Amino acid sequence: DAGVIQSPRHEVTEMGQEVTLRCKPISGHDYLFWYRQTMMRGLELLIYFNNNVPIDDSGMPEDRFSAKMPNASFSTLKIQPSEPRDSAVYFCASSSPGSGIGTDTQYFGPGTRLTVL
Amino acid sequence: GDSVTQMEGPVTLSEEAFLTINCTYTATGYPSLFWYVQYPGEGLQLLLKATKADDKGSNKGFEATYRKETTSFHLEKGSVQVSDSAVYFCALYSYSGAGSYQLTFGKGTKLSVIP
Repeated sequence: DAGVIQSPRHEVTEMGQEVTLRCKPISGHDYLFWYRQTMMRGLELLIYFNNNVPIDDSGMPEDRFSAKMPNASFSTLKIQPSEPRDSAVYFCASSSPGSGIGTDTQYFGPGTRLTVL
Repeated sequence: GDSVTQMEGPVTLSEEAFLTINCTYTATGYPSLFWYVQYPGEGLQLLLKATKADDKGSNKGFEATYRKETTSFHLEKGSVQVSDSAVYFCALYSYSGAGSYQLTFGKGTKLSVIP
């Protein structure tokens, strides 16, 4: 299995530009998560999906952020317009159906390092 | 809400030293507890987990015991190696009903092991 795939691995953009991050979860996983990691705030959950439906987006920082999951094998996180404070590493993770809610291991992608100038 | 508190880092140890990274939590339900490890330039990967009180998770020489009475899940290893240098995250998963579950990570503890 290839694991969770994220693209691009690195993104450098200028303030005000639109940024789209992409994620392909592990096949068969029905939960997908987007996280943001910074030195100041640590690892933050932004949003997660179950069977392609957004379940909890309370971690999305503001309306400039949006996430979609059009099918079971693809998700995007979009920032429009981007700002320097959005600079961070963004991780996607997926999990497999387990024996019960809350016990599923999450598998993380390698992350996208975003720099907004 | 639920929370996880990890000991502050960074932690620097000599090879073969004993490692303890403290983790305590607060939760209203019966959470599952995890330790994740992040090697430089990589995403997080599961190190070990425990799903109920008194369970012991173990992997690669690391161990942690789910202690409900002290609300703790401390990570230990008897003899660390240079290859254990990484950032370690304690995490808590609890189910809050209606298909929504709480995911909480500690801030991470950076471990450096020197030869």
